[in-house]
Amino acid sequence: GENVEQHPSTLSVQEGDSAVIKCTYSDSASNYFPWYKQELGKRPQLIIDIRSNVGEKKDQRIAVTLNKTAKHFSLHITETQPEDSAVYFCAASNTGNQFYFGTGTSLTVIP
Amino acid sequence: KAGVTQTPRYLIKTRGQQVTLSCSPISGHRSVSWYQQTPGQGLQFLFEYFSETQRNKGNFPGRFSGRQFSNSRSEMNVSTLELGDSALYLCASSLLPVYEQYFGPGTRLTVT
Repeated sequence: GENVEQHPSTLSVQEGDSAVIKCTYSDSASNYFPWYKQELGKRPQLIIDIRSNVGEKKDQRIAVTLNKTAKHFSLHITETQPEDSAVYFCAASNTGNQFYFGTGTSLTVIP
Repeated sequence: KAGVTQTPRYLIKTRGQQVTLSCSPISGHRSVSWYQQTPGQGLQFLFEYFSETQRNKGNFPGRFSGRQFSNSRSEMNVSTLELGDSALYLCASSLLPVYEQYFGPGTRLTVT
C-alpha cells in the first residue's frame, strides 16, 4: 500500500517568515494530494490540494508543489502569521479514494 | 450549505461493549470515509462508502464495520471495545470519490 512520510514533525518560525513542509509518497498511482490544517480541538480543514497533472498551485499565501518523478510534494506558507499555528497534514490518494495521511507537522509561528 | 455532522460528539464506553457512531455528509455528497485519529498513529483510514457500497477498507480488525444508507448518511460500529479503541473518530464526505474531502467534528470515544 501507499506510504506517506512527512517532515519535519515540528516547525517553529518567526512571524513573517516562510514555512515549508515536505511529504514523500511511495505509490506512483497516487494522483491527488491534499493538505489539511487542524487547530487544537477542531476538525481537519482542507487548505489546498493538487492533482498529478499539475506541478504547482497557489492560493494567496499558500502554495503546493508536486514532483511526480521524485514522488514528493511540499506545502509553502509565506508571510506566516500567528493564526497559521496548527498541525498540518499531507495526504495522498489514488483513484480508489483511499487516503493515506502523513504523521503531521506542528507549526508554531512566534509573534 | 451545512457541513458534515457527527453524533454523538463524546462517548464513554466500557471494554467489551459495542458502539455506533453516525455521520451525516454535506448535502449532495455521496462518498463518506471514516478515519481514526490518535496521538501515536495519526490519521488512519478505516473505510470508504460510495452509493451504499464499501469500496475500500483500511487495515483494521473485523470488529470495525460500517454501512451507508440511501440518503448517504453513514454509521460505523465497533464491537467488543478495547482500551486501544479510544480515539477521535472522524468522518469525511466528498461529492464523488477522489474529490475534495470535508471532515466532520469527530466523535471522541473513550473506552474504560
